[in-house]
Formats: sequence, structure tokens, C-alpha cells
Amino acid sequence: EIVMTQSPVTLSVSPGERATLSCRASQSITSNLAWYQQKPGQAPRLLIYDASTRATGVPARFSGSGSGTEFTLTISSLQSGDFAVYYCQQYDTWPPITFGQGTRLEIK
Amino acid sequence: QVQLQQSGPGLVKPSQTLSLTCAISGDSVSSNNAAWNWIRQSPSRGLEWLGRTYYRSKWYNDYAVPVQGRITISPDTPNNQFSLQLNSVTPEDTAVYYCARQVVVPSTIIGLDYFQYMDVWGKGTTVTVSS
Repeated sequence: EIVMTQSPVTLSVSPGERATLSCRASQSITSNLAWYQQKPGQAPRLLIYDASTRATGVPARFSGSGSGTEFTLTISSLQSGDFAVYYCQQYDTWPPITFGQGTRLEIK
Repeated sequence: QVQLQQSGPGLVKPSQTLSLTCAISGDSVSSNNAAWNWIRQSPSRGLEWLGRTYYRSKWYNDYAVPVQGRITISPDTPNNQFSLQLNSVTPEDTAVYYCARQVVVPSTIIGLDYFQYMDVWGKGTTVTVSS
């Protein structure tokens, strides 16, 4: 089973600033990685797939990069609605599909 | 626009069976371009994939090892929905349960379909296992 590790657990950033979230896979997953955003009481929402492709309707301030075992989600200029929990998920080797434990992005 | 509507009880007694249904609109449970998943979320386990069902000339299922033997995911083609049954539940099965569509790129070679990300999720059902 591929283990996904996200860092940091909590990230405090001011509105308007840039946030950088990391995700590491326990073995190479090429570019088979998705990022999700989850707000309290809601289901996860797909943001990025194939490591760097934005899903439909996702603002351009969200960008993904990386391949192999190291991945990054960058939010270029944080808005109030961006403060949430972010998860990465690999779909290179399945089953099982595996998720990271999440990074909580909070207002500084 | 694809939507998933979940239904089912929010309270289940220990040792009984948890049953949830996910109704699909805007897509077909028999689609060759999708797989239909159940995922749960708890503070102790985070997001945990449970299993999926999909159709490729016949129905297939994959289940997570920790719940294998207790889980059944079944399609219901007349009603365009799929269901989750989890037997012999314990308090450790308390979680928010989500259904989700997984994008699939089908292959002409059986067994080599490319299963990808979850692009549509249900709203979630909080299930508590308690007497």
C-alpha cells in the first residue's frame, strides 16, 4: 500500500499571501495525484488531478506541481474561502486508493 | 451535471448491518467511464477508501482489505444507484460515509482500465454505531 504523507499538519497564512502545501508518496506514483479541498461539514472537492491539471471551475490561483514522490499544491493569493483542509490522493497503484492525512490551512 | 444523493440511517447498533444508498443523476451506474466508490472519514482514520463497483460487460467489485469479508457494494441498475452494506459493525465503524464517482479511462484489454480521481462526491452521511 502506498502511504501518502502531507506537511505541514497545520499552516497559518495571512489572506493575500501564498500558501505552499506538500505531499510525499512512499514510492513513485508518476503524476497520478489529486488534491482535494474540504470545508467543515462538506464533502471533499476535487481541485487538481494528474498532479497539475485544475478541475473544472477551480480558480487559477490554485496550482499543482511535482512528479514521482514529491508534490506541491500552491495557492498564490489566499482568499477567505480558501481556508480549509487539503488532502492529496494517489491513484497510481490500486486498490487501495490512499489519501494523505490532510493539511489544515488556517488564517494567520 | 452529475449529482450523488445519499440516503440511509444515521444510527446503527453494534453487531448489526450498516446500509447506505447512493442515487446517481446525470450519469449511469453502468457507465464504462466510471467506478462507484464508498469512502469514509473519521478523526482516527482520516479518509479511508472502502471499495467500489463498476461495469465492464459484467459487474466487478474491489474492497479494502480491512473491511473485506464484512462489506458488499451492489449496483441497482433499474434505479440507477448503488449501495453499501457493512456487516457486524462496531463503534470503530462510526464515521462520515461518502459515495463518490471515480473517473475511469477504459482499456480494450480486460483488467487494464485506468482508474483515476474522484470527481463527484455525495454530501456524506454521519453514521454512529451505538447501542
